[in-house]
Order: sequence, then C-alpha cells, then structure tokens
Amino acid sequence: KAGVTQTPRYLIKTRGQQVTLSCSPISGHRSVSWYQQTPGQGLQFLFEYFSETQRNKGNFPGRFSGRQFSNSRSEMNVSTLELGDSALYLCASTAGEQETQYFGPGTRLLVL
Amino acid sequence: AQTVTQSQPEMSVQEAETVTLSCTYDTSESDYYLFWYKQPPSRQMILVIRQEAYKQQNATENRFSVNFQKAAKSFSLKISDSQLGDAAMYFCAYRSAKATGKLIFGQGTTLQVKP
Repeated sequence: KAGVTQTPRYLIKTRGQQVTLSCSPISGHRSVSWYQQTPGQGLQFLFEYFSETQRNKGNFPGRFSGRQFSNSRSEMNVSTLELGDSALYLCASTAGEQETQYFGPGTRLLVL
Repeated sequence: AQTVTQSQPEMSVQEAETVTLSCTYDTSESDYYLFWYKQPPSRQMILVIRQEAYKQQNATENRFSVNFQKAAKSFSLKISDSQLGDAAMYFCAYRSAKATGKLIFGQGTTLQVKP
C-alpha cells in the first residue's frame, strides 16, 4: 500500500497570503489528522477529519481551517499568513478507532 | 488536560549499546494509548512502538521495548544494540481512547549514536 502523501513538499509565501495544503491518506483510511511542528512549540494538533466531518479540533485560531472530501483526501487552509505560521505541517491517517496514526512526509511552509 | 513530558532533550549512546529514553504523562483517564515515534533528519515520523494502557505486558518490537508503569504514569523506551540508523529525534505521544485522532506529543529527545 502507498503511504500518506502530502503536497506540496515545500512552500514559500509572504505575510497576508493564504495557503492550501493537501493530504492523501493511506487507501482505506478514513481519518485524517493535521499537526503543526515548530522548534518553539513542538508538535501541536490542529484538527481531525473523519468521514468529511471535523471530529476534533486543537487550539488554533480560525485562520486555520480544513476539510475532507468523499475520497478521504484532506486539505488544510491557512488564511492571512503570519511569520509564526512558518512550520512543518504533518498529516496522519488512521484506519479505525483503535488503530495507529501513520504520518506523511510533511509540507514545509516558510512565510516571509 | 493531558500532558506529556520528555525530560531529556538530548541523549547519546555508543553503537551496539543500550539506551533508555524517558517519558512521563499526566491524565485522569484510564483508557488510552501510548506511542513512541521516531523522526530522522528526513522529518518523516515513523512509528516505533505502541502500548495499550489496559495491557499490563510491556510492548516489544525487535530491539525496541518499553517499560510501562501505569500507576507512575511513566513510559520509557529502551533501545538495545543501538545502530547508527537509530539516530533521530524520538517523540513520546499520548492518545485518549475518546479522541482517537488526536495525539499529544512530548517535546522530543534527540538521540545521537556514536560509532
């Protein structure tokens, strides 16, 4: 089976712009979770989608949003980018309730 | 709220020797899962080992084993016969049985393996 894929792998944006990141889960996995990784804050949970519905949400401002499509692919959007949004954004997928999360390679976002 | 603490920012081990990484967590729940993930320089998070809280037996995966002390809320990772490829950042993570898609991570421990 192919692993979790994320596109793009690298992205450079300027302050005030918006960005959309994409995540394709492992085939058959219906849950997709997003995390932000920064040197200062570490790994923080953004949100989780399951069957096109947001099931869990972390403590991030409303500028961070996401969605999931019927094929389980997920997108994450950040509007009005700030310098502090520069980070590695990781996506993970899970097969079921008791299962383990498997991570994609991440998208590295740099905001100038 | 649940928290995960890794008190060792950096560790080093000689190749072929054994090293133990520490992790403590805080929760009021009784049903949860604990994980160790490895993140090499490529930044790809790789699952090392998983432990269900309801299981008393410590999980083992080849050279990797855990010491799970539920009452003490401690979850350490032992790496035996360390190899150069084990060099990476290691993260301890907690997942509530009620919030299956949300992992809470510790700050990570960077492991250096010396030849």
